[in-house]
Parts: sequence; C-alpha cells; structure tokens
Amino acid sequence: GESVGLHLPTLSVQEGDNSIINCAYSNSASDYFIWYKQESGKGPQFIIDIRSNMDKRQGQRVTVLLNKTVKHLSLQIAATQPGDSAVYFCAEPRFIPGGTSYGKLTFGQGTILTVHP
Amino acid sequence: EPEVTQTPSHQVTQMGQEVILRCVPISNHLYFYWYRQILGQKVEFLVSFYNNEISEKSEIFDDQFSVERPDGSNFTLKIRSTKLEDSAMYFCASKAGLQETQYFGPGTRLLVL
Repeated sequence: GESVGLHLPTLSVQEGDNSIINCAYSNSASDYFIWYKQESGKGPQFIIDIRSNMDKRQGQRVTVLLNKTVKHLSLQIAATQPGDSAVYFCAEPRFIPGGTSYGKLTFGQGTILTVHP
Repeated sequence: EPEVTQTPSHQVTQMGQEVILRCVPISNHLYFYWYRQILGQKVEFLVSFYNNEISEKSEIFDDQFSVERPDGSNFTLKIRSTKLEDSAMYFCASKAGLQETQYFGPGTRLLVL
C-alpha cells in the first residue's frame, strides 16, 4: 500500500556536524511533502516543505532534497545543535476525494536525532 | 506567532468514562484535524473537519468518537466510553483554507486506567 517511511530509526551526531535524515515514499503521484520535528512531550512542529516541481528547497540551516526518480527525500541540517535533538518525521498530505485541498497527513515512523555536545 | 492550543495537557480517566479534549485552532484557519500518537509509535490521523462537518475519518474514528466545533474558536474531540487502548497523545491541528501546512498543538496526554 501507499506509505511514507524512514530509512533509519536513530541518528547520532556531534554538535557542529551536518545531519542527513532520509525518507522514502511509495506513491509516484505524491507531490507534496512536509518535514516535522517533534521534541519530547510536544506536538509536531513544521520545519520545511517541498512540492514535486522542486528538487531542492532551503530554509534556515535546513535543506530538503527531493528525488522523484527514486522516490526519496532527505532533510539536511547544517551545523547541528543540541536543540535539534528530536524525532523527525516526513509527512505526506493526502487529497480529499473530489476536493481542492490537501487533507490528512500520513506520517512516517520517524528518525530520532541525538546531538552530542 | 499564532499557535494551536490544547487543554488539558494531561487527562487520567477510568475505562468506560467519557472524555472531552479541547483545542483552540489558529484563528483564521478553516480546516481542523485530530491525530493521535500511541507511545513510541507514529502519529496517526483520526478525523478532519471543514465547514462544520467531518470531511474524512480513519478506521480508528469509530462510533465512540465525535468532534464538534461548538463556537467560533473551540474544536473538541469526545470519546464516549474510553478503552485502555485509547491511551495516547492526542494532537489537534489546523490549517488555513489555501495553505497546505498543518500546524499542531502541544497535545493532550490521555491515560485510561
């Protein structure tokens, strides 16, 4: 079935290193993806999104790359800081049948990022 | 910066009791959602709500669940007769009509004993 999933459940990095979190998707018609960060005991927090008409999008210290050929996207965090420690989810909004707007989000399992000082 | 708020932050209840989880979405948003996250698992969609009606619901959202927007600001999730397996974090989310990003509240941790 359709799914959005993560390659690795955990990632440990040293402070200052760059982090790369990967996500695979199965539906070739998927055209919009969102990365969320979830800190312990909190709700998912929007980081960055990308649409299928783009291969790359940059934010503050974060870059998302989308490879539609292999149905893969990644989140790169530059100069990772201890405050970046969290679970990172890629999520895909699904169309409402017959509607004009995206509906529910389907989340992947998440990658736990741990940043060591 | 506007944010989604939820109350209570924690709720402990006995199995079979009714609970109401409350959310105040971002004020200019038109689409509202409930999700849940069982400990250690991924976030799961429950229901979406637009124009005062449910637009989509998951298999989890059975007859024991209901949602309501009783006024112009609150969005509630009611579980009529809680089960042990309803123990989870429940997140409310909202988005503006033409903007695709959903913004999440901090969640309510529900524990059913």
